[in-house]
Amino acid sequence: GAVVSQHPSRVICKSGTSVKIECRSLDFQATTMFWYRQFPKKSLMLMATSNEGSKATYEQGVEKDKFLINHASLTLSTLTVTSAHPEDSSFYICSAQGLAASYEQYFGPGTRLTVT
Amino acid sequence: GQNIDQPTEMTATEGAIVQINCTYQTSGFNGLFWYQQHAGEAPTFLSYNVLDGLEEKGRFSSFLSRSKGYSYLLLKELQMKDSASYLCALNTGGFKTIFGAGTRLFVKA
Repeated sequence: GAVVSQHPSRVICKSGTSVKIECRSLDFQATTMFWYRQFPKKSLMLMATSNEGSKATYEQGVEKDKFLINHASLTLSTLTVTSAHPEDSSFYICSAQGLAASYEQYFGPGTRLTVT
Repeated sequence: GQNIDQPTEMTATEGAIVQINCTYQTSGFNGLFWYQQHAGEAPTFLSYNVLDGLEEKGRFSSFLSRSKGYSYLLLKELQMKDSASYLCALNTGGFKTIFGAGTRLFVKA
């Protein structure tokens, strides 16, 4: 159990376009989902925390107008990178927290974004 | 704020034991995680410590001392497939988890 999927797994887009990444909890309901960004050989940097039905909480330094997060249901959160630029190229990982009183997060497989 | 320190890289031999240390400073503490991450993949959960002491799970053990702000991950009977990054992460309150920079472990034959 506790499977999280991400789609797409890899995406290449042109500078100035927008890209949407989906994160789904497949066999459980996720009250809270997290979006991370990871640069090569670096650790995960928390971008934002999203709760179903409410606005996401962004970490300091993360532009909320550039990285739009929507958590419309207990099984789906989306991250949209708007007007992407080459510096947005990165590995984006989502994770989900279940309804049970557990602090464990279940990670999606990640999305490799390349902006040309 | 929070601060998590762990060594950048370690090398060990197949079949040996390796200990990866993690020290931290934080104002809020709800537990410490260890995750394993292979290159290009998402992290996978290894352990969670919220009380002081040693938690053993097969070849992997994790230790926590809250008073010292210290944890370690112990890997026994190392295998080549254990070559990966090991991430120390803090739950700082609520459901927020902050990750350390990770320790890249190289297992050699």
